Amino acid sequence: DIVMTQSPDSLAVSLGERATINCRSSQSVLYSSNSKNYLAWYQQKPGQPPKLLIYWASTRDSGVPDRFSGSGSGTDFTLTISSLQAEDVAVYYCQQYYDTPYTFGQGTKLEI
Amino acid sequence: QVHLQESGPGLVKPSETLSLSCSVSGGSISNYYLTWIRQPPGKGLEWIGYISYSGSTKYNPSLQSRVTLSLDTPKNQVSLKLSSVTAADTAVYYCARGYCSGSNCYLGWLDPWGQGTLVTVSS
Repeated sequence: DIVMTQSPDSLAVSLGERATINCRSSQSVLYSSNSKNYLAWYQQKPGQPPKLLIYWASTRDSGVPDRFSGSGSGTDFTLTISSLQAEDVAVYYCQQYYDTPYTFGQGTKLEI
Repeated sequence: QVHLQESGPGLVKPSETLSLSCSVSGGSISNYYLTWIRQPPGKGLEWIGYISYSGSTKYNPSLQSRVTLSLDTPKNQVSLKLSSVTAADTAVYYCARGYCSGSNCYLGWLDPWGQGTLVTVSS
């Protein structure tokens, strides 16, 4: 299995400041034939299912505010929230869909 | 807009079989990949497995000996059965769809997700 490791486990950021969450995979999730990274980011608020934010490591899903951005390639990825809003308090998960089982990171809890 | 809804018993006894359904509205499962994921209370997400529109399946090796996914295309539903449950199987169980682009659907990232259903294993 590909192991996904997020850091930090929790993060406190002031309103309007930048939040950075890291995700590392135990093997590359970059598919050489199409140069795409098979990595997604999700946001989960209490009592709700995860919500897709980003796929292909850096493509924002429709309707996701542009303060959310994804970057990285191969084994190291980052989710950045450029200016934290109160509604961004949540747990964030990365997921690889390069190979089954499609594993998730352990989650990063983002607080204000 | 596609909507997924999980349903099933909220309480299952140890050693019994957990059975859940995922009903899909707003779209046909005839070209979907549907995935089950679970989340123990206060913990992270575990990928259980997927079933394709043709009925092919892939399971997490950690659960493979106990899990079965099946399609009911006329009802636009998929079902999950997990046998010989223990307290460690207590979780919120989600179904989610693999992404679609136009009329084509694929494995990969998951969107949308159902609201999830909590299943507690206890005598």
